[in-house]
Amino acid sequence: NAGVTQTPKFQVLKTGQSMTLQCAQDMNHEYMSWYRQDPGMGLRLIHYSVGAGITDQGEVPNGYNVSRSTTEDFPLRLLSAAPSQTSVYFCASSYAPGGDGYTFGSGTRLTVV
Amino acid sequence: GIQVEQSPPDLILQEGANSTLRCNFSDSVNNLQWFHQNPWGQLINLFYIPSGTKQNGRLSATTVATERYSLLYISSSQTTDSGVYFCAVLNQAGTALIFGKGTTLSVSS
Repeated sequence: NAGVTQTPKFQVLKTGQSMTLQCAQDMNHEYMSWYRQDPGMGLRLIHYSVGAGITDQGEVPNGYNVSRSTTEDFPLRLLSAAPSQTSVYFCASSYAPGGDGYTFGSGTRLTVV
Repeated sequence: GIQVEQSPPDLILQEGANSTLRCNFSDSVNNLQWFHQNPWGQLINLFYIPSGTKQNGRLSATTVATERYSLLYISSSQTTDSGVYFCAVLNQAGTALIFGKGTTLSVSS
């Protein structure tokens, strides 16, 4: 099925642990991005990529790392989890940073204790 | 950077009622989009509407770029319309969407 696939759907981490949130798309989209959603805050951009090998920071990049080795995959790494990173994380992809065809994954709910 | 403000923050309707959601943005933009997040968390792209008016069934959207606002109209609301509606604009570098904080809509039968 075409779309954006995020794994895992739920995760509980202890403070200080690291983990990788996976995001894969099969629509040959060049643009991919990661957002976090917190109550009352809307969606805030963490990192984005305009193509394989190219990434850049968004509004709230601290504590997160990304890489883009292929067009299909855009993993998000939490280097040392903190309770402030408890959130719902969404990955999105599109042909361009905006426009029709902007597609979100189903999200990863992360709790850091 | 560009600021995106949505109003009202919350809206409660009876099934069958009409509603208008507003999105104001602080600077000129050449991209504006509306998204719906259903109660299960899934985000759906509703409209890409940098200017003018578009309609899709009971939903329509109008953007007046020169006056820096967009409106989303929902007619004859249904319980399945419940959720959070976000507008988003492209940042000035043209590299990412900036989202408003959303309008939470609750439609009861």
